[in-house]
Amino acid sequence: QSALTQPASVSGSPGQSITISCTGTSSDVGGYNYVSWYQQHPGRAPKLIIYEVTNRPSGVPDRFSGSKSGNTASLTVSGLQAEDEADYYCNSHTSSGTWVFGGGTRLTVL
Amino acid sequence: QVQLVESGGGVVQPGWSLRLSCAASGFTFSSHAMHWVRQAPGKGLEWVAYISYDGNYKKYVDSVEGRFSISRDSSKSTLYLQLNSLRTEDTAVYYCARDLSGAWTADYWGQGTLVTVSS
Repeated sequence: QSALTQPASVSGSPGQSITISCTGTSSDVGGYNYVSWYQQHPGRAPKLIIYEVTNRPSGVPDRFSGSKSGNTASLTVSGLQAEDEADYYCNSHTSSGTWVFGGGTRLTVL
Repeated sequence: QVQLVESGGGVVQPGWSLRLSCAASGFTFSSHAMHWVRQAPGKGLEWVAYISYDGNYKKYVDSVEGRFSISRDSSKSTLYLQLNSLRTEDTAVYYCARDLSGAWTADYWGQGTLVTVSS
């Protein structure tokens, strides 16, 4: 049950786009379309922003989008806004019937 | 609206036990699987345990297998996590989360309860 691999930090200026990668194996990310992304602001509970690789829950802006290629999933945030500054975590179902999270990525809006 | 409220956290010594509760409201509790996820201070999220909607299927992360036990009481719309043989590395905020049926994702989260294991 090794954690998925995410970059520790990414940054971008308001209006720009950034992409966060999430690399796993064929036993998790690559084997299922059950990849989710969560946003967490300091001191707050995580919030679901993408599920099943590409789906957005109601109320999540379409600036957030997800994709997957092989064992790597990606979250793209377009038109960066100040309120997007937060920690982002990917998560996947695994062949063992468990879940695994990525280590998290701190997004800084410059 | 969906609400999940955790309770039961506190400060305990290594080897002690604790039971966490998660009171659910605003949805049909018996129709949803549930998860516990924890976050050590300053660290990332770690999935801890899963229980199916009917309580018949449970899974745990390896590091808590045999020490923690997840359960649910649908008559009380409450999820539980029994923590036994606690270790200092179990110190974390523990979140309960609702599983979005069929999607293997957590669509609603509680605010968490802090468990501190220290001598």
